[in-house]
Amino acid sequence: AQKVTQAQTEISVVEKEDVTLDCVYETRDTTYYLFWYKQPPSGELVFLIRRNSFDEQNEISGRYSWNFQKSTSSFNFTITASQVVDSAVYFCALCQGGYQKVTFGTGTKLQVIP
Amino acid sequence: DADVTQTPRNRITKTGKRIMLECSQTKGHDRMYWYRQDPGLGLRLIYYSFDVKDINKGEISDGYSVSRQAQAKFSLSLESAIPNQTALYFCATSDFTIDHTQYFGPGTRLTVL
Repeated sequence: AQKVTQAQTEISVVEKEDVTLDCVYETRDTTYYLFWYKQPPSGELVFLIRRNSFDEQNEISGRYSWNFQKSTSSFNFTITASQVVDSAVYFCALCQGGYQKVTFGTGTKLQVIP
Repeated sequence: DADVTQTPRNRITKTGKRIMLECSQTKGHDRMYWYRQDPGLGLRLIYYSFDVKDINKGEISDGYSVSRQAQAKFSLSLESAIPNQTALYFCATSDFTIDHTQYFGPGTRLTVL
């Protein structure tokens, strides 16, 4: 069985603050994929990043960065210098290799206050 | 044009009515999925299809049925809608040969009165 835990239900930050969204996963597979999706108030689900279990390199994309640590089964997401447009629900997800059923966390609602 | 489309985008119906939600994709992906989203529960898988002849139940399939009419089309039906099926429904597609990323449609907001 696989599981994704996003312990932070809601986070509020003031604009320009940095914020980290936590994601902890459980799986018995050695091959798996991790994802982050953004759901803005308009409701659509926007794909942000995919990581496979063999690639522990951290990634940075503009103000977004992701820290993947297999030792702690975590895939955390940091937004630097947050902006109001970052206000959304963010979902972490896990897919077991070859199976392609994705398990989602319950999401973290981020509110960036101007 | 969007790669994954869902119709209708919003629907209000009454208890006991039959309703169909439709999903079409132009991404050429073999795999299609239906999820529902409820506040605080994330996304839960209802049904998934790896090709036209392969349909599988997800974790919450009771009260739902699906039809994969073609590679590009995957419909979700509620035979007799009930109020606790009020939710946001998403269709998604993926291509196993390329990567494991799921791409989502815009969602259908369903209200059952």
